[in-house]
Amino acid sequence: EVQLLESGGGLVQPGGSLRLSCAASGFTFSSYGMSWVRQAPGKGLEWVSAISGSGVNTYYADSVKGRFTISRDSSKNTLYLQMNSLRAEDTAVYYCAKGGDSSSPQVFGAWGQGALVTVSS
Amino acid sequence: DIQMTQSPSTLSASVGDRVTITCRASQSISSWLAWYQQKPGKAPKVLIYKASSLGSGVPSRFSGSGSGTEFTLTISSLQPDDFATYYCQQHNSYQITFGQGTRLEIK
Repeated sequence: EVQLLESGGGLVQPGGSLRLSCAASGFTFSSYGMSWVRQAPGKGLEWVSAISGSGVNTYYADSVKGRFTISRDSSKNTLYLQMNSLRAEDTAVYYCAKGGDSSSPQVFGAWGQGALVTVSS
Repeated sequence: DIQMTQSPSTLSASVGDRVTITCRASQSISSWLAWYQQKPGKAPKVLIYKASSLGSGVPSRFSGSGSGTEFTLTISSLQPDDFATYYCQQHNSYQITFGQGTRLEIK
């Protein structure tokens, strides 16, 4: 069974930093692209960032480019999101999501339970 | 970026009804469209991908159609468990975008 478990969320001041982690199990981690998707309170889904299975290719939404960094450690089966220069509008539940197979890598077939990030003074 | 627009934003229906939700893309995405269901406080679940392929374990009352810029999600006979929010998502490229969501509520 695929399991994704996020950690690292919390309260941070504007301009601060936070690192989210997502521990993966139940599948061959290095074979799948992974993404972070966020949802602000009462709002819709917003894709944030993605990384290929090898970790070579990374992708970012314009809203976080230059501030967030996605990475992965296949030895630990863990996905990361380093968030710097945080803003109030980054407040959201952050989900890690597993991409699909090679025919549909950007389809998210499994999601974590979410980690709440609150940016406030 | 490709913009995804769903309609309606809210839909009121009764158990047993047939309902359709529409999603329009700002440019052609071929058949690279997925649909997700999300219930309050829970992560989304994929229902449909590549416009019409049913996700694993998804009941057959859910179906998707369309290509290019216009897509639909149809629930053939609403069940109590189907009242939730539905999102479309284009998976044409890695600049992934979602629709704003359609809340399906009980009439």
